[in-house]
Amino acid sequence: DAGVIQSPRHEVTEMGQEVTLRCKPISGHNSLFWYRQTMMRGLELLIYFNNNVPIDDSGMPEDRFSAKMPNASFSTLKIQPSEPRDSAVYFCASSSGGDSPLHFGNGTRLTVT
Amino acid sequence: GDSVTQMEGPVTLSEEAFLTINCTYTATGYPSLFWYVQYPGEGLQLLLKATKADDKGSNKGFEATYRKETTSFHLEKGSVQVSDSAVYFCALERGADGLTFGKGTHLIIQP
Repeated sequence: DAGVIQSPRHEVTEMGQEVTLRCKPISGHNSLFWYRQTMMRGLELLIYFNNNVPIDDSGMPEDRFSAKMPNASFSTLKIQPSEPRDSAVYFCASSSGGDSPLHFGNGTRLTVT
Repeated sequence: GDSVTQMEGPVTLSEEAFLTINCTYTATGYPSLFWYVQYPGEGLQLLLKATKADDKGSNKGFEATYRKETTSFHLEKGSVQVSDSAVYFCALERGADGLTFGKGTHLIIQP
């Protein structure tokens, strides 16, 4: 079991650029979550999918953020245009629902200059 | 809305000391409660959980008891090791809406 795989591990970009973060959930998991972690706010749930369908995106901070899950094995989180305040670690997590725990990826550290 | 409050860190202890990290929550209904641990450069890992009142979750020497009357889920360990140094997150889950996390407590164990 390779776990949840996120890419890239680190992303440095300039303000105004488009950023795409990628996530491959654990095979067989039907729920996928995107979190953002900052020192100020801790861990915030941005959006989650169930069976590839977005269920709750109320945590997405602005229209600049969008997330897709075109199939059960892949999801993207896109920021366009990026801003310095978007700098954070973004985590993807998946679970098989019910009482099963979340499994987190190692995160993508995003720095927007 | 749901919320989780953890004690502020960092918490610095000597090896073999007793550990308590406080966690209280606010939620309607009967959430499940979790402790996650994050080691440097890694994602969060589930440490333990409890799904109903008076349940005790335990793993790797850590314990936490779901106290509905005090809405608490304090994390304890009798004798910490340097390898326990990490950030610990208390979290709750109500229904299928994902986890609500506390801000995390950075634990530093000195040899």
